[in-house]
Amino acid sequence: DTAVSQTPKYLVTQMGNDKSIKCEQNLGHDTMYWYKQDSKKFLKIMFSYNNKELIINETVPNRFSPKSPDKAHLNLHINSLELGDSAVYFCASSQSGRLTDTQYFGPGTRLTVL
Amino acid sequence: GDSVTQMEGPVTLSEEACLTINCTYTATGYPSLFWYVQYPGEGLQLLLKATKADDKGSNKGFEATYRKETTSFHLEKGSVQVSDSAVYFCALMRGSTLGRLYFGRGTQLTVWP
Repeated sequence: DTAVSQTPKYLVTQMGNDKSIKCEQNLGHDTMYWYKQDSKKFLKIMFSYNNKELIINETVPNRFSPKSPDKAHLNLHINSLELGDSAVYFCASSQSGRLTDTQYFGPGTRLTVL
Repeated sequence: GDSVTQMEGPVTLSEEACLTINCTYTATGYPSLFWYVQYPGEGLQLLLKATKADDKGSNKGFEATYRKETTSFHLEKGSVQVSDSAVYFCALMRGSTLGRLYFGRGTQLTVWP
């Protein structure tokens, strides 16, 4: 049983398109996150939700819009894709956002914008 | 602002060699510190963590001690295996920014048989 799953695993698309990445966790956690990993492997948080409420919203272009239909799901929708959006996107979850909580990561979605 | 600095890789070792990956941090207050590992083609997994000064985290033969006086959290292993080949990330989280993990840039480790 996969704890944090993401679909799709790979996404190749043209500039200007709109795409979505889905994330689901079956751990019963209250908090979910989206991270972006660039080509040099640098990881940076984009968003976090706690009980479907947006908690963290880093300096991310408003073309990126997270949506949490319920506690177990956090989707990422990207409008008007640009070349610079090419990266690996990781979803993660934790029990809450406490200092002692472990964040569990999904396998990642590799987005390539042509 | 908060930040984590890791030694640059890649690091290449022979099996059974000793490993040290340096990590220092900048943060106000008392952050929690983490090491995550990313195996090829996979997401990140927590390797170990320490939540207060002088705590030692350990797992799978890896250890790291939270040193507040030197703001460091170096990762060590006495004898590496081929299966340890991965990218290792040091990270911190502060109490006032709950949930926000700040990552270092990662260190690629390759272990040869």
